Amino acid sequence: QQPVQSPQAVILREGEDAVINCSSSKALYSVHWYRQKHGEAPVFLMILLKGGEQKGHDKISASFNEKKQQSSLYLTASQLSYSGTYFCGTENPNYGQNFVFGPGTRLSVLP
Amino acid sequence: GAVVSQHPSWVICKSGTSVKIECRSLDFQATTMFWYRQFPKQSLMLMATSNEGSKATYEQGVEKDKFLINHASLTLSTLTVTSAHPEDSSFYICSAPGLAPASYEQYFGPGTRLTVT
Repeated sequence: QQPVQSPQAVILREGEDAVINCSSSKALYSVHWYRQKHGEAPVFLMILLKGGEQKGHDKISASFNEKKQQSSLYLTASQLSYSGTYFCGTENPNYGQNFVFGPGTRLSVLP
Repeated sequence: GAVVSQHPSWVICKSGTSVKIECRSLDFQATTMFWYRQFPKQSLMLMATSNEGSKATYEQGVEKDKFLINHASLTLSTLTVTSAHPEDSSFYICSAPGLAPASYEQYFGPGTRLTVT
């Protein structure tokens, strides 16, 4: 079952913040976040495994809620290089579900 | 970090012909590789899981006889699109799981853009 992502697209000015959400109707084993630039392969950003977990690197961070059904990716003081499509990926081996990517959120950062 | 390569980067073929795409793990061994297909402005859809030394596992709705997968060695998996048709035109991407303890991370190849005319 594919996770739901919101928003579908967002346009920012350089320096602004953004939040991308990823949710599922069932508790998840893990949530992965990837960024893909046009014509390129996705690049791994981070993985969250534990309910209530938060982690980040530089100005990109993510959280996983206690019920492990919703994750958010936070982009702070966005840079032009942040532009791309962000995908969350989820898996749930307890339900026999292999890794599934969400539909993606297209982020455009303008100067 | 782990590097996955794909060959070719792009291919244009005529309808009815077959095309082979190679996926190689360059500096690590991969007993498992994943094949994805991505249509323009859409998400990556898992097609199949390639297992070294055994048959591939295909996702529901993916034709086994049309998309032949061979994982001949610990560093090479191939996807052959047989009797390709214009609707098979897409971006094909392979990935391999990282090495422990980061085995949850997938390393993606650069992708192969297939255009069937």
